[in-house]
Amino acid sequence: FVLTQPHSVSESPGKTINISCTGSGGSIGSNYVQWYQQRPGSAPTLLIYEDDHRPSGVPDRFSGSVDSSSNSASLSISGLKTEDEADYYCLSYDAGVHWVFGGGTKLTVL
Amino acid sequence: DVQLVESGGGLVTPGGSLRLSCETSGFNFDYTSLNWVRQAPGKGLEWVASFSHVGDIFYADSVKGRFTISRDNAKRSVFLQMNSLRVDDTAVYFCATDPYITGYFDHWGQGTRVTVSS
Repeated sequence: FVLTQPHSVSESPGKTINISCTGSGGSIGSNYVQWYQQRPGSAPTLLIYEDDHRPSGVPDRFSGSVDSSSNSASLSISGLKTEDEADYYCLSYDAGVHWVFGGGTKLTVL
Repeated sequence: DVQLVESGGGLVTPGGSLRLSCETSGFNFDYTSLNWVRQAPGKGLEWVASFSHVGDIFYADSVKGRFTISRDNAKRSVFLQMNSLRVDDTAVYFCATDPYITGYFDHWGQGTRVTVSS
C-alpha cells in the first residue's frame, strides 16, 4: 500500500490550496486518513484526523476529505498565510504494512 | 504538559547497534500506544514501529528482524533497540503517542539523530 502526494505545491497568500494523497495497492476509503504538518526543524504536528476532523487548536482554514471513487484524500487550506509554509504528510493504515505515510508535499506560499 | 524526550542517538558504523530511549510525562502512559517514526536527511516521514498499550507490536518491513521496540510502563518509557544498522538507517528518530491506535499521533518528541557511517 503506497500513498502518493505531489512533491510540491505553491500558491499566493489568501488563496486556497488542495494537497492530494492518492492510494495504490489498497483502498484509501477502508481506513482513516490523518494529515500532519511539519515546519523546518520541528517535529510533525497532527492537523487532521479520521479523514476530516480537526484537533482542538487547529484553525478551521484546514479541512480534510476522502474521495473513495478516486482512491484519494485531500487536505484543503484556505486563506493561505505565509506561516502555512511547511511540509504536509498524509498517513493511513493498511493491514499489510500497518502505518504508511505519504511522501510529503512541500507547500510554498509566495 | 505532555513531554516526550528521545535520547540515545549518535554515530555508529554499519553493522553496529544503538538503543534509543523516549522518556515521557503528562499523559496516561499505560493506555497509550507508542510509536517510532524516522526521517532520513531531506526525506519524508517513515513509520518504524509501534507498541500498543495492549501489547501488540508491529514493525515496518525495512527494520523487521533488526529493530526491537519495547516499553517500560513503570518508567514511562519506550525503547528502540537497533541492531545490524545500515547506512540507510541514518535519520532523525521521533517517538510519538497514539492514544486511540488510529494513527492519531498527537504528541511527538523533538527527535534524536542517528548516523550510520564508516
